[in-house]
Amino acid sequence: ETGVTQTPRHLVMGMTNKKSLKCEQHLGHNAMYWYKQSAKKPLELMFVYNFKEQTENNSVPSRFSPECPNSSHLFLHLHTLQPEDSALYLCASSQFQTVEQYFGPGTRLTVT
Amino acid sequence: AQKITQTQPGMFVQEKEAVTLDCTYDTSDQSYGLFWYKQPSSGEMIFLIYQGSYDEQNATEGRYSLNFQKARKSANLVISASQLGDSAMYFCAMRESRSGSARQLTFGSGTQLTVLP
Repeated sequence: ETGVTQTPRHLVMGMTNKKSLKCEQHLGHNAMYWYKQSAKKPLELMFVYNFKEQTENNSVPSRFSPECPNSSHLFLHLHTLQPEDSALYLCASSQFQTVEQYFGPGTRLTVT
Repeated sequence: AQKITQTQPGMFVQEKEAVTLDCTYDTSDQSYGLFWYKQPSSGEMIFLIYQGSYDEQNATEGRYSLNFQKARKSANLVISASQLGDSAMYFCAMRESRSGSARQLTFGSGTQLTVLP
């Protein structure tokens, strides 16, 4: 595997379900990010992890719970979501001091 | 106020022609970076080009160039010799300088580019 991978690519869940999104980066980076991309809205940064420590939480509801066990893996645990949480969830990674972020292909989430 | 503004929701260009995608930004920082990403229908965001606020030359990467006009706070993307595979959503983004934090990006709303055969 190369670059940034995300699983699953598509997820349909009910509002009472609990599921997790997984992101893995194979680039040796030390910062990882979760973004939410809703239709007709700019990409929204949700969480930032730097060297496994959460450094940013952009007022994300507690029904989204991130976990970063090491610099290569990032999870987003989901529970009791709302239909408006349906979106494309993108993971990215970067080397702390470098300029660009590398993105995964995203997980298309539909909450029914 | 929006930090990144992309005023063109959709653009069409004929194959082999050049196209300019507009981006204006708002920041009070002296040090910042501007990025363009491409997002095909598959969803992955692909980094295209970067311009630093102190860079005197406009950035170029193959068929991509960034027309950086600092006084006007604009960072337009120019794609030369368009190809059918260039059809995608294009996002302009900015990184403002922050100490002690991983570099965060603020994205614009995007421009959907369609290349016509």
